[in-house]
Amino acid sequence: DIVMTQGVLPNPVPSGESASITCRSSKSLVYKDGKTYLNWFLQRPGQSPQLLTYWMSTRASGVSDRFSGSGSGTYFTLKISRVRAEDAGVYYCQQVREYPLTFGSGTKLEIK
Amino acid sequence: EVQLVESGGGLVQPGRSLKLSCVASGFTFNNYWMTWIRQAPGKGLEWVASITNTGGSTYYPDSVKGRFTISRDNAKSTLYLQMNSLRSEDTATYYCTVEDFDYWGQGVMVTVSS
Repeated sequence: DIVMTQGVLPNPVPSGESASITCRSSKSLVYKDGKTYLNWFLQRPGQSPQLLTYWMSTRASGVSDRFSGSGSGTYFTLKISRVRAEDAGVYYCQQVREYPLTFGSGTKLEIK
Repeated sequence: EVQLVESGGGLVQPGRSLKLSCVASGFTFNNYWMTWIRQAPGKGLEWVASITNTGGSTYYPDSVKGRFTISRDNAKSTLYLQMNSLRSEDTATYYCTVEDFDYWGQGVMVTVSS
């Protein structure tokens, strides 16, 4: 199974600052089509998860351009620019390169 | 507007069975793969099962393989999860999601306890 390992944020992050969340996979997530099968989600307190980015760096419909995904085949970063109170919650990375699909353990973002 | 509404959760004793449903609307259900994801209280997300758009193929992690069965009725735009031989570690909120995880239901709670 592909293991997803997420980093920890130095919380809380001051409103207006940037935050970068890291995620590492135990195997390359690049498929033979050249795409990197890595998703990022935000789960706000008491809500269902929301897809932020897919294919490592493509923003989902309606997602603010303050969210940007980047990385290589095994190391990934989600950058949140100019953080706002509404960005608070737990962020999860997920690999969809192969079954079983696996998630990172989550990274909590608190806003000051 | 896409809507996914789960139901069928509740309190069940260990070893017993439960069947979850997810009614979909706002999109052409039979064009999309569907997936169940769960989240234990205070924990992270775990993939539970996926099914192709026709229902011809299904996928499970080892943690539920042989105990859970995902199925669908395209005529009713409904996704199911039959859960047998339930264990305390199956206690979680269960979410249904559309193919690329861009739509999620509100979740349904399953508690396995004596």
